[in-house]
Amino acid sequence: QSALTQPASVSGSPGQSITISCTGTSSDVGGYNYVSWYQQHPGKAPKLMIYDVSGRPSGISNRFSGSKSGNTASLIISGLQAEDEADYYCSSYRRTNTVIFGGGTKLTVL
Amino acid sequence: QLQLQESGPGLVKPSETLSLTCTVSGASISTTNYFWGWTRQPPGKGLEWIATAYHGGSTYYSPSLESRVTISVDTSKNQFSLKLRSVTAADTAVYYCAKSLSTTFHPNWFDPWGQGVLVTVSS
Repeated sequence: QSALTQPASVSGSPGQSITISCTGTSSDVGGYNYVSWYQQHPGKAPKLMIYDVSGRPSGISNRFSGSKSGNTASLIISGLQAEDEADYYCSSYRRTNTVIFGGGTKLTVL
Repeated sequence: QLQLQESGPGLVKPSETLSLTCTVSGASISTTNYFWGWTRQPPGKGLEWIATAYHGGSTYYSPSLESRVTISVDTSKNQFSLKLRSVTAADTAVYYCAKSLSTTFHPNWFDPWGQGVLVTVSS
């Protein structure tokens, strides 16, 4: 099954805001409000940052937010900090009861 | 708090079966609405979902791996397992176990994750 489409890389300066997009189809991103986002630092396990499009788990900074329009979901990171530099993956529920990940986006903090 | 720990051989020969176990601590694997899943990540590549299971018996598989994969839950040991048959070098990856939560039986997001275990397929 084809992965969700993410940009390979994005960058921003400290304090700025960046957006990472995640494009799917009506069978996944567009069809359900079940998009999640993960942060992964090198050598570490993924960490859930956003669930159900815009939900934020306990302990996750409110600098991280999510949204969706049609078949494209977005992760917005505001007030960029050096520690935000990592790989980010989107994920979506896809019918029926399967999960699909995006290819990942490398965020560089300049 | 809930923690997960993967265990299993780090080296598997081609054509053999990869077997991994995830031990859950801090919660019962039979908790209502808790689902349990496996995801893998080949070296230098992205995440690939493999399978998800519910203690009640429901199992869900990636279409691309479904013919070779079995996920199972052992409530007596508070563990769940993954078996991947007929492995090749393409199955070399870090394998992660994780918990999902869904009140609508649409498990999709995973939190928390285990630390992961590298499995290499090589003769």
